[in-house]
Amino acid sequence: DGGITQSPKYLFRKEGQNVTLSCEQNLNHDAMYWYRQDPGQGLRLIYYSQIVNDFQKGDIAEGYSVSREKKESFPLTVTSAQKNPTAFYLCASSIGGHFQETQYFGPGTRLLVL
Amino acid sequence: QKEVEQNSGPLSVPEGAIASLNCTYSDRGSQSFFWYRQYSGKSPELIMFIYSNGDKEDGRFTAQLNKASQYVSLLIRDSQPSDSATYLCAVGGYQKVTFGTGTKLQVIP
Repeated sequence: DGGITQSPKYLFRKEGQNVTLSCEQNLNHDAMYWYRQDPGQGLRLIYYSQIVNDFQKGDIAEGYSVSREKKESFPLTVTSAQKNPTAFYLCASSIGGHFQETQYFGPGTRLLVL
Repeated sequence: QKEVEQNSGPLSVPEGAIASLNCTYSDRGSQSFFWYRQYSGKSPELIMFIYSNGDKEDGRFTAQLNKASQYVSLLIRDSQPSDSATYLCAVGGYQKVTFGTGTKLQVIP
């Protein structure tokens, strides 16, 4: 089955620790995205990638980093510089890199701070 | 003014009724409009997309777009308890896609 997978489902971060969230897709989509969802707020874009080996900052990139070494994979690292990381993190993909295109979401990772 | 506005709800409708969800947007250059359904604790799932003025129907769902009024809506006919969820409106343009905060729908059996 084609789709987007995210792991882990839940992730706990200790003070000062970097953690990495995994996102994999087998839809052969060119573009991938990372969003953060907080209660009462709309989805906010962290980073996006329209092509392998290239990515762009979104609205709230500070404290996060990404890589896009393979078309199928777009991992997100939450660094210790992100002071309020508790949120629901959503990975999405679209066929091309245009924002007018439909984005499909993975199941999400919930990050909690210990 | 928020870029994409939705009434947070909850919107309560009886089972079998029509649920009407509304969304307004501020960017007149917006080109694509999406409705996602999000169950509690789950990720958004695409319900419909619409690009042109008018109505688009898919089963029990109808999306309506009025670019002159900067307004998009989603109608759910014969509402079922399984439709109870938060519905996110998303608006896409050249530079970005913007999501609303969602309307919570409760379908009462």
